[in-house]
Amino acid sequence: GQQVMQIPQYQHVQEGEDFTTYCNSSTTLSNIQWYKQRPGGHPVFLIQLVKSGEVKKQKRLTFQFGEAKKNSSLHITATQTTDVGTYFCAGRWMDSSYKLIFGSGTRLLVRP
Amino acid sequence: DTAVSQTPKYLVTQMGNDKSIKCEQNLGHDTMYWYKQDSKKFLKIMFSYNNKELIINETVPNRFSPKSPDKAHLNLHINSLELGDSAVYFCASSQTPQGSRTFGSGTRLTVV
Repeated sequence: GQQVMQIPQYQHVQEGEDFTTYCNSSTTLSNIQWYKQRPGGHPVFLIQLVKSGEVKKQKRLTFQFGEAKKNSSLHITATQTTDVGTYFCAGRWMDSSYKLIFGSGTRLLVRP
Repeated sequence: DTAVSQTPKYLVTQMGNDKSIKCEQNLGHDTMYWYKQDSKKFLKIMFSYNNKELIINETVPNRFSPKSPDKAHLNLHINSLELGDSAVYFCASSQTPQGSRTFGSGTRLTVV
């Protein structure tokens, strides 16, 4: 079935270091959404990317959608302990208007 | 003013029992969902209703039956609970089937 691969599974960084998580799909995506889940919490929507090559920023977070709309990345500059959590991408395929498939998530741990 | 509220928050029950989880949203959204998150944090869609109509029904055992009495409510009934049903179940809603999901705080189900 259709899958969204997300890497790495875990990332342990020192506070102040940068962090990047990547999402890949074998087929073209209609759009991609990103969510953050704090430990013990629920997923919270961060952003949606729709256009090929789109780049969006939210303070220290930078989201990119690949030119071919098959991959996406989330980059955090100068991580803080408040960034701890699991980051999920979720993609929708061109032929599926309803279904949003979540990636396996990247768990970020930040050492103070 | 919780946007998506689900009850109970915790549910511990014996194998073979039948249980229900309730979900309500006060966002005026048209679409509601049930997701299952296992111990490895994978988020899998189970069901989705749009204006009380079932639009997504993933490969889920028949023991799971969703019910949407109105747009603001989506309940999940589970018959003959099994050990493998232990997980966190998230309710979510979105304005449209294509929109971003707003998640409830989750129900941690433990089957013993």
